[in-house]
Amino acid sequence: KAGVTQTPRYLIKTRGQQVTLSCSPISGHRSVSWYQQTPGQGLQFLFEYFSETQRNKGNFPGRFSGRQFSNSRSEMNVSTLELGDSALYLCASSLVAGGPSGNEQFFGPGTRLTVL
Amino acid sequence: GENVEQHPSTLSVQEGDSAVIKCTYSDSASNYFPWYKQELGKRPQLIIDIRSNVGEKKDQRIAVTLNKTAKHFSLHITETQPEDSAVYFCAAISGGGADGLTFGKGTHLIIQP
Repeated sequence: KAGVTQTPRYLIKTRGQQVTLSCSPISGHRSVSWYQQTPGQGLQFLFEYFSETQRNKGNFPGRFSGRQFSNSRSEMNVSTLELGDSALYLCASSLVAGGPSGNEQFFGPGTRLTVL
Repeated sequence: GENVEQHPSTLSVQEGDSAVIKCTYSDSASNYFPWYKQELGKRPQLIIDIRSNVGEKKDQRIAVTLNKTAKHFSLHITETQPEDSAVYFCAAISGGGADGLTFGKGTHLIIQP
C-alpha cells in the first residue's frame, strides 16, 4: 500500500504571496491532519479533515485554511505569507477521525516552505 | 488544551546501553499516546503507541509504559544501536481529538559507538 504523499516537496515564496500544499492519504484512510514543524515551536497541530469536513482546528490564524475532497485528498492554503510561516508542513492520515479509540496517524514526507 | 512536556531534550548513551525518555501530559481525558522517531530530513515514523487502558506495551527492543494516575509515560529502548540515533517525539490526544496530536518538544538521542 502506498504511503502518504505530499506535493510539492519544496517551495520558495515571498512575503505576501499565498501557497497551496497538497496531501494524498493512504488508500482507505479518511482523516487527514496537518501539522507545522519548526525548530522553535516543534510540531503543532493545524487542522483535521474527515469526510470533507474540518473536524478540528489548532491555534493558528485564519490565513491558514484547508479543505478535503471526496477522494480524501486534502489541500492546505496559507494566504498573505509571513517570514514566520517558513516551516516543514506535514500531513498525517489515519483510518478514521481521532476519537476514543485513538487511531494511528501516518505522516507524509512534508513540504518545506521557505518565505523570503 | 493538552500540554505535553518531554525530557531530556538531548540524551547520549553508549551503544548497547538502554535509553529512557519521559513525557508528562496535563489532560486527564487523553487516552492515546504514540511515539514517533524522526531521522534527519525524514518524516516522523510511528514506532510504538499505547492506549489508556494498558499500562505497558513492548515491541522487541522498544517498550512504553503509562502511569495514568501520575499522567506520565515513558519510552524505553534497550540494547541501543547506531540506527537508533534520531529525534524522538512523544504525543498525546484526548478522546474527542479536538486538538489533534499534541507533541512534546522532542529528544535528540545520540548513540555513542
